[in-house]
Amino acid sequence: EAGVAQSPRYKIIEKRQSVAFWCNPISGHATLYWYQQILGQGPKLLIQFQNNGVVDDSQLPKDRFSAERLKGVDSTLKIQPAKLEDSAVYLCASSAMTAPSPGNTIYFGEGSWLTVV
Amino acid sequence: AQTVTQSQPEMSVQEAETVTLSCTYDTSESDYYLFWYKQPPSRQMILVIRQEAYKQQNATENRFSVNFQKAAKSFSLKISDSQLGDAAMYFCAYSDIRDDKIIFGKGTRLHILP
Repeated sequence: EAGVAQSPRYKIIEKRQSVAFWCNPISGHATLYWYQQILGQGPKLLIQFQNNGVVDDSQLPKDRFSAERLKGVDSTLKIQPAKLEDSAVYLCASSAMTAPSPGNTIYFGEGSWLTVV
Repeated sequence: AQTVTQSQPEMSVQEAETVTLSCTYDTSESDYYLFWYKQPPSRQMILVIRQEAYKQQNATENRFSVNFQKAAKSFSLKISDSQLGDAAMYFCAYSDIRDDKIIFGKGTRLHILP
């Protein structure tokens, strides 16, 4: 079974530029998550999709971050304009259940490393 | 709001020895899930073990076991017969029964000494 795929793996941009990250979840997984992991911290949930609808985006900085999941499959996370504090690893994850269910196994991708200079 | 606290930023253990990583959490819920995730340098989060709060029996997975103390809101991970491949960041995490959102602690970096 193929895992969660993310690209690009690494990106360096200047502040005020834009960047986009792509995620392809495990085939058939209805729920998709984007997490932000700043160095030295645990991952923080940015947004959760179920199919192509947003379940929770309460911690997404909507003035600069946007995410979409067209057709309920792959997803794109965009940052525009980027700030220095956006330097982090952006982790995409997916789970199989079609409805939130406690303890679903969530599978993570290897992450997209962003450095803003 | 739920919180997860890992008070040990780093730990070291000799290969083949046993090590325990600590975790405390805060919640007003009575039913929830607790997890330990392993994150190697590749950054891919790997589920190590999961505990359901309503189960009194501590979860075990091969060399990994937990000590779940619900009243104390404590959830420690014991790694027996430590191996070089166990070196990684370990995150304690919480999820309540209403959804799949996972709240992570800040992590403990585990070093295995040969």
